[in-house]
Amino acid sequence: EAQVTQNPRYLITVTGKKLTVTCSQNMNHEYMSWYRQDPGLGLRQIYYSMNVEVTDKGDVPEGYKVSRKEKRNFPLILESPSPNQTSLYFCASSFMGQGNQPQHFGDGTRLSIL
Amino acid sequence: DQQVKQNSPSLSVQEGRISILNCDYTNSMFDYFLWYKKYPAEGPTFLISISSIKDKNEDGRFTVFLNKSAKHLSLHIVPSQPGDSAVYFCAASSTVTGTASKLTFGTGTRLQVTL
Repeated sequence: EAQVTQNPRYLITVTGKKLTVTCSQNMNHEYMSWYRQDPGLGLRQIYYSMNVEVTDKGDVPEGYKVSRKEKRNFPLILESPSPNQTSLYFCASSFMGQGNQPQHFGDGTRLSIL
Repeated sequence: DQQVKQNSPSLSVQEGRISILNCDYTNSMFDYFLWYKKYPAEGPTFLISISSIKDKNEDGRFTVFLNKSAKHLSLHIVPSQPGDSAVYFCAASSTVTGTASKLTFGTGTRLQVTL
């Protein structure tokens, strides 16, 4: 089954404790992206990757890091999480990243930073 | 600056009637528009899209209309069914060849279809 898998689905942690949210896709997609969803703001792009070792900032990259060492994986790293990063996070992928290619989303990771 | 706006946070419609969800955009470079549907505890799933060279696209019960001069699009669901109850996101992109086309999302409209 074609899917985007995120882990963990839920995490409560404390300020400053490094965490990683993993994302994996099995569709051989070149493009992957991270979004955060906040009330009244919709989904905002954090980082995206066009291919292995190619990443770029989205609209709200501050406080986040990503890496793309393998085509299928695109982890999101919070080196020193802060309460304003409490949010619902989605990973997505598409074939080539063109705007007319619908993105496939994971089921989300709800992060609470205390 | 919200480039894609969904001004109705929620909408309630009776089963069998038409649901109309609206979306406005400000960036004239947007040339492709998508609607996503999201159920609780799941990620958004693609529903229907439209290119700026068209003014209408239909897929079963779902039709998207695009008015470029007004920078407005709408999603019509006819007839509405209880399973359509979800949050609907409008998204827009500029299909620049060779670059990662960024999706800009609206804030979503929660549709509730009542019996």
